[in-house]
Amino acid sequence: DQQVKQNSPSLSVQEGRISILNCDYTNSMFDYFLWYKKYPAEGPTFLISISSIKDKNEDGRFTVFLNKSAKHLSLHIVPSQPGDSAVYFCAASLSGAGSYQLTFGKGTKLSVIP
Amino acid sequence: GAVVSQHPSWVICKSGTSVKIECRSLDFQATTMFWYRQFPKQSLMLMATSNEGSKATYEQGVEKDKFLINHASLTLSTLTVTSAHPEDSSFYICSARDGRTTNLEQYFGPGTRLTVT
Repeated sequence: DQQVKQNSPSLSVQEGRISILNCDYTNSMFDYFLWYKKYPAEGPTFLISISSIKDKNEDGRFTVFLNKSAKHLSLHIVPSQPGDSAVYFCAASLSGAGSYQLTFGKGTKLSVIP
Repeated sequence: GAVVSQHPSWVICKSGTSVKIECRSLDFQATTMFWYRQFPKQSLMLMATSNEGSKATYEQGVEKDKFLINHASLTLSTLTVTSAHPEDSSFYICSARDGRTTNLEQYFGPGTRLTVT
């Protein structure tokens, strides 16, 4: 049973517009969430994270929103650029578990059209 | 900062042979390293967690005698795929945590594409 779900395998957005990538989780114990970006044949690159004590975290063009009651988070990219085209993984963790393990979703492939 | 290297980036080996993959943290001390496997269009599947100086903790379903993990120093972990078979062909990625922080972020290597013929 997947604990972290990214239900949209792909998303296409026009350059300059907003990209919204969604992620849902089932384990209510998760309290730390991360987004990673991955190009083909490369390892994932950390983008942005959010703790469950917050509902929003912003870093430049990237903003992550967390809705704990809905067990949902989203990554907003504004404005979208062609270089943002990649697969985006959502990950969740239990900060108090001590194992530092991350549980990943299956990813959403974002294509930004020039 | 927070750079992780992985070597080799790709390897082709014959069935029955063993392959070693190295993962190094270049500018930080990685007290914890993780090994993942990714199948096409699938998520990153955690194989094992290794802490420097101790035995690795393997996820359910991962054979510890087949996937040998050694984390002998704070900057190096190795994964050895023993007696490789074609079904072991996959993309293997390591990640590392900076032990000086309480952050949960993992920094990933570029991955190793293993093809077993």
